[in-house]
Amino acid sequence: EAGVAQSPRYKIIEKRQSVAFWCNPISGHATLYWYQQILGQGPKLLIQFQNNGVVDDSQLPKDRFSAERLKGVDSTLKIQPAKLEDSAVYLCASSLYGSGPTGELFFGEGSRLTVL
Amino acid sequence: ILNVEQSPQSLHVQEGDSTNFTCSFPSSNFYALHWYRWETAKSPEALFVMTLNGDEKKKGRISATLNTKEGYSYLYIKGSQPEDSATYLCALRDNYGQNFVFGPGTRLSVLP
Repeated sequence: EAGVAQSPRYKIIEKRQSVAFWCNPISGHATLYWYQQILGQGPKLLIQFQNNGVVDDSQLPKDRFSAERLKGVDSTLKIQPAKLEDSAVYLCASSLYGSGPTGELFFGEGSRLTVL
Repeated sequence: ILNVEQSPQSLHVQEGDSTNFTCSFPSSNFYALHWYRWETAKSPEALFVMTLNGDEKKKGRISATLNTKEGYSYLYIKGSQPEDSATYLCALRDNYGQNFVFGPGTRLSVLP
């Protein structure tokens, strides 16, 4: 079974530039998450999708971050314009819908963003 | 906003040493606790999912215990090996939603 795929693995940009990250979840996983992990902190949820609908985006800085999951499969996370404090690892994860509190997250390898 | 804490922040041990770390969480919001291992340049992987007070789980040399009444979980590694070097994350699933709230992690380095 293929895992969660993410790209690019690494990206270096200057502040005020834009960047996009792509995620392909495990086949059949209806729930998709984007997490931001800043060095020294735990992963923080940016947005959660159920199929192509947004379940939770309360911590997404909507003035600069956007995400979509148009066909309920792949997802793209965009940052425009980037700030220095956006330097982080962006993790995509997926899970089975209805797996309950014990359902685990399956993560991609992450996209490491450095903003100069 | 739920606060999940982990200690220590980082840990260096010699190969063969046993070690343990702590995850603390608000007991009033407990639904399930997940432990993940995140090796450098790899994806985080699930270790344990724990739901019941007094739960003990074991996978090889790694085990975990859970106390939901006082709000903590311990992760133990017996006879640490260099391949155990990773960041260990705990995550709380509360009884209000589907979200996972992660702690900051414990970074373990096992020196050969």
